[in-house]
Amino acid sequence: DAGVIQSPRHEVTEMGQEVTLRCKPISGHNSLFWYRQTMMRGLELLIYFNNNVPIDDSGMPEDRFSAKMPNASFSTLKIQPSEPRDSAVYFCASTRSGQGGMAFFGQGTRLTVV
Amino acid sequence: GQQLNQSPQSMFIQEGEDVSMNCTSSSIFNTWLWYKQDPGEGPVLLIALYKAGELTSNGRLTAQFGITRKDSFLNISASIPSDVGIYFCAGQQDNQGGKLIFGQGTELSVKP
Repeated sequence: DAGVIQSPRHEVTEMGQEVTLRCKPISGHNSLFWYRQTMMRGLELLIYFNNNVPIDDSGMPEDRFSAKMPNASFSTLKIQPSEPRDSAVYFCASTRSGQGGMAFFGQGTRLTVV
Repeated sequence: GQQLNQSPQSMFIQEGEDVSMNCTSSSIFNTWLWYKQDPGEGPVLLIALYKAGELTSNGRLTAQFGITRKDSFLNISASIPSDVGIYFCAGQQDNQGGKLIFGQGTELSVKP
C-alpha cells in the first residue's frame, strides 16, 4: 500500500505569495492531520479532519492559514499571504478510527518563504 | 494547552550502549506512542501502548506505559549507528478523534 503522499516535497516562495500544500492520505483512513515542525516549537498540530469534516482547528496560527478536505482522498493546506515565519516542514498524517492513534506520516513539505 | 515533557533533549552515546528516554505529562493519556524521525523524513511509528503498566517490545526497543497514565519511557538496548535520529513520544486522550500531542523529541547520536 502507498503511504501518505505529500506534494511538493520542497517549496520556495516569496513573501506575500499564496502557497498550497497537498496531501493524499492512506486509502481507508478516515482521519487526517496537518502538523508543522520547527526547531523552536517542535511538532505542532494545526488542524485535523474526521470523515472529511474539520474537528479541531485551534492550532491554525492565524487567518492566513486555511485547510480543506473535499473528499476522503485529498486535503490541502493553504497559506495566503505567506510570511518568512511560516518557513517550516509541514507534515500530513492519517489514521483509521479505532486504530488507537496510530497515525502514519507523509514525508513532509519543506517550505521556505523568502 | 496539553504538553508532553520529553527528556533528555539529546544524547550522545557509544555504539553498544543502552539508551533510555522518557516522557511525562500533567494530564492523563490513554494511548502512548513512540516515533522515530530520520533526517528529511516524516516520523515513523515504533511502538504503541494502550494500557497502564503495559510493557511492549519491538526488537531492541522496549517501551512502557506508566501506571499513573501520565508517563512513558523508551529503552533501546545495544545501540547501533542506524539508531541515530530524533525520537518522539506522543499521547492521545479519549474522545480526541485520534489527535496526538507530541513531546519535544530526543535527538540520539551514536558513535561507532
